[in-house]
Amino acid sequence: NAGVTQTPKFQVLKTGQSMTLQCAQDMNHNSMYWYRQDPGMGLRLIYYSASEGTTDKGEVPNGYNVSRLNKREFSLRLESAAPSQTSVYFCASSDVTIRTGDPEAFFGQGTRLTVV
Amino acid sequence: RKEVEQDPGPFNVPEGATVAFNCTYSNSASQSFFWYRQDCRKEPKLLMSVYSSGNEDGRFTAQLNRASQYISLLIRDSKLSDSATYLCLEGSARQLTFGSGTQLTVLP
Repeated sequence: NAGVTQTPKFQVLKTGQSMTLQCAQDMNHNSMYWYRQDPGMGLRLIYYSASEGTTDKGEVPNGYNVSRLNKREFSLRLESAAPSQTSVYFCASSDVTIRTGDPEAFFGQGTRLTVV
Repeated sequence: RKEVEQDPGPFNVPEGATVAFNCTYSNSASQSFFWYRQDCRKEPKLLMSVYSSGNEDGRFTAQLNRASQYISLLIRDSKLSDSATYLCLEGSARQLTFGSGTQLTVLP
């Protein structure tokens, strides 16, 4: 039962470097999300994808790009990392449950990114 | 104004106490609400759903007040292991919107 898998778990970047955070889910969910979490700020939505082939900006999209490669995978790219992007990043997926009609969301274990 | 707002706390309560958190939402058309628990440096995990009729699971009770547009979480007989951050979530099939979280510490 893998659920939502994020890689890497930890990363240190120098300012200006680029990297891609990978996320994959094996629950056949339609919707996937990228959040960042900073102390005292809760979870802030960066981008989301309601279905394969679509992506939309969330609350804090600047400095990021995303790709919904297929139904399973949703990647987050930092083209030129900045110290302000030091954060914990969570990927999530969700879908409406057949039983209740409510969305059910699952999270990856997080990526702790430090930009120096 | 944020769509979902929570009192960040922290709430420091003695073991055995009853504690309640509220979360207000701005979208009157919102249908689905949840409480998530997040332990330090871990991913959020579903604690319970919030139904209009109320929802109770052991020591935890969740309620929805549509007239005043808030949801609540009540924890009775607090345990040390209840110490965590509690996040409310407003969900739809397309998007999930979290509150900023309420930090709870249960003291021995």
